[in-house]
Formats: sequence, structure tokens, C-alpha cells
Amino acid sequence: SQQGEEDPQALSIQEGENATMNCSYKTSINNLQWYRQNSGRGLVHLILIRSNEREKHSGRLRVTLDTSKKSSSLLITASRAADTASYFCATDARGNTPLVFGKGTRLSVIA
Amino acid sequence: DVKVTQSSRYLVKRTGEKVFLECVQDMDHENMFWYRQDPGLGLRLIYFSYDVKMKEKGDIPEGYSVSREKKERFSLILESASTNQTSMYLCASSPYRDRAHEQFFGPGTRLTVL
Repeated sequence: SQQGEEDPQALSIQEGENATMNCSYKTSINNLQWYRQNSGRGLVHLILIRSNEREKHSGRLRVTLDTSKKSSSLLITASRAADTASYFCATDARGNTPLVFGKGTRLSVIA
Repeated sequence: DVKVTQSSRYLVKRTGEKVFLECVQDMDHENMFWYRQDPGLGLRLIYFSYDVKMKEKGDIPEGYSVSREKKERFSLILESASTNQTSMYLCASSPYRDRAHEQFFGPGTRLTVL
């Protein structure tokens, strides 16, 4: 059961530009998490935002959460070629259920 | 740092073989998970375990089983491998006290079934 859906599926930008990815979900959540995956590797946790938070920052990352719209966005500022990866949102739904991952956004940052 | 290791990065097996994928974590995490990842389908949960000897089915358990005899080790078993089980398999762990906690992933095993 896939809850989070990222948009766009793929994004290509120039180095130095900002990259914005969106995630929509269907049911109430405790928190929403963003992960990054370099090609052919495991996922790495980036940031977690709880349902009572609206915005969170970590370095060049900015995450927003709008629970009324059931959506979140991940902004990467001043992107670098090393940011090239797939980015996944994962939702922790209310109740004793595991995280549910979306299908991901493939970001390409061109030097 | 938490380390999650998987027994193989690449594995090639033949149809009908029994396949074992091993996952070990070194941070005393209670929760462990097995996912498969396929292009266009994202991560899909196969099985998970919230404690030793516990196991629960995820979204796509058919054709798989798991074993959790020790806290640090979670094994995924393909009883009779089939070509449609060719995929990237990812193991993850997370601490018990806060099930909303981040998951820590292994590097993945790319399995090819011929």
C-alpha cells in the first residue's frame, strides 16, 4: 500500500539552482520523513517532520508540511552535482504500522 | 554510527534455488525490515519484525519467508527463486522505543534469478 506519492518523477536542474520536490499522502500521519538514495545504494535518512510541525531546516534542506492538504515539500537550495540522487518521502501513519515509502523523485544536478 | 550490513551486494541464482539474504545490524535495534525495490514501483515492504522471533507480513510476502532468531540478524528466504524475484533487496532497522524513528538501511543486494 503506497501512501506517499512524489512529484515530479524526475527533475533536472543546473548546479546552483534550487530543487523542489513534493509529496502527497492519503491518511493522517504521525510524521513524514525524507530519504535520499544514491544510484544502486541503500537509502539515507535526511529529515523528519512531525505532524504538529509546519517547517523544518537542516543545512541546505528545507521541508514543509501541510496536514490540511496532506502534502509536504523538500527544497534543496544551491544544489550541487553531488545532490544527484533519488529522493523518497515516507509516511508514518497513525497506529502501529511501518513506514510507507513513495516511488521517489530522481534529481539530476548538471554541473 | 549505525551499521546495517547485507551479506552480498550482487547475487545470481537459478530458478528453483533456495536463496538466503542475510542482514545484520549493530545498534541493538528492535525493528528490522525487508523491502524490494523495482523501477517504477518504489520500495515495497516484504516482511518486518518488531522483536526476536516475531515476524509480520508486509505488502508483498508471497514467495518469501523470514527468520529472526537473534536480535541483530534478520534473514530473508526465497524458498524457490523465480525470475520475477529479480530485484534490489534492501534491509533496514530502527529502534523500538520510537516507532516513528528513522530507518537505517543496508547497501542493498541486487539479486538476479536466471
